[in-house]
Amino acid sequence: DSGVTQTPKHLITATGQRVTLRCSPRSGDLSVYWYQQSLDQGLQFLIQYYNGEERAKGNILERFSAQQFPDLHSELNLSSLELGDSALYFCASSVRGVVAVGEQFFGPGTRLTVL
Amino acid sequence: DQQVKQNSPSLSVQEGRISILNCDYTNSMFDYFLWYKKYPAEGPTFLISISSIKDKNEDGRFTVFLNKSAKHLSLHIVPSQPGDSAVYFCAARDNFNKFYFGSGTKLNVKP
Repeated sequence: DSGVTQTPKHLITATGQRVTLRCSPRSGDLSVYWYQQSLDQGLQFLIQYYNGEERAKGNILERFSAQQFPDLHSELNLSSLELGDSALYFCASSVRGVVAVGEQFFGPGTRLTVL
Repeated sequence: DQQVKQNSPSLSVQEGRISILNCDYTNSMFDYFLWYKKYPAEGPTFLISISSIKDKNEDGRFTVFLNKSAKHLSLHIVPSQPGDSAVYFCAARDNFNKFYFGSGTKLNVKP
């Protein structure tokens, strides 16, 4: 158990809908990262927040947005969903904003299925 | 455009032998490289990392080698154990603190 929690575990929705994925980092971790893993693909970095502020941005679509709240939990909002958005979405956390030793602790993921 | 590539989707090794997992990258600005292990239905777990200023890092049975001129890194597991059977991802960090992951190699260690 990494200490990072993600809810829900599974989500099934329809095209055009909007969903919110939630992540609670490990206690004491200030940084949250979001990744997308599509079928047979590696993890694609989406976005990083550090202590409430956006720190780094990857290939995140404009239909997607994220935020980190004062209690440090984070939400990833996906809107106007398309079939191709079906994927595993992972959240990871780390103590620092710039991870010197590269260690991020990953949650178990949310599996999103868009029908 | 994949900046980190793992060209072998799978690898099968006998218990007790060496497992060598390979990874190639294209961006010479990567400053940190990492290996993660992932079991089904779980998130990836950090295994070992190496800074771009080093060429080797060892942690128990796991050693990562970095060849900057070839833009290649490898993970050696010696001796391999059945519990090592998992998907292994290599990853790299650029100077904007963005992380790039390979597509993974599924390792099967046969008893």
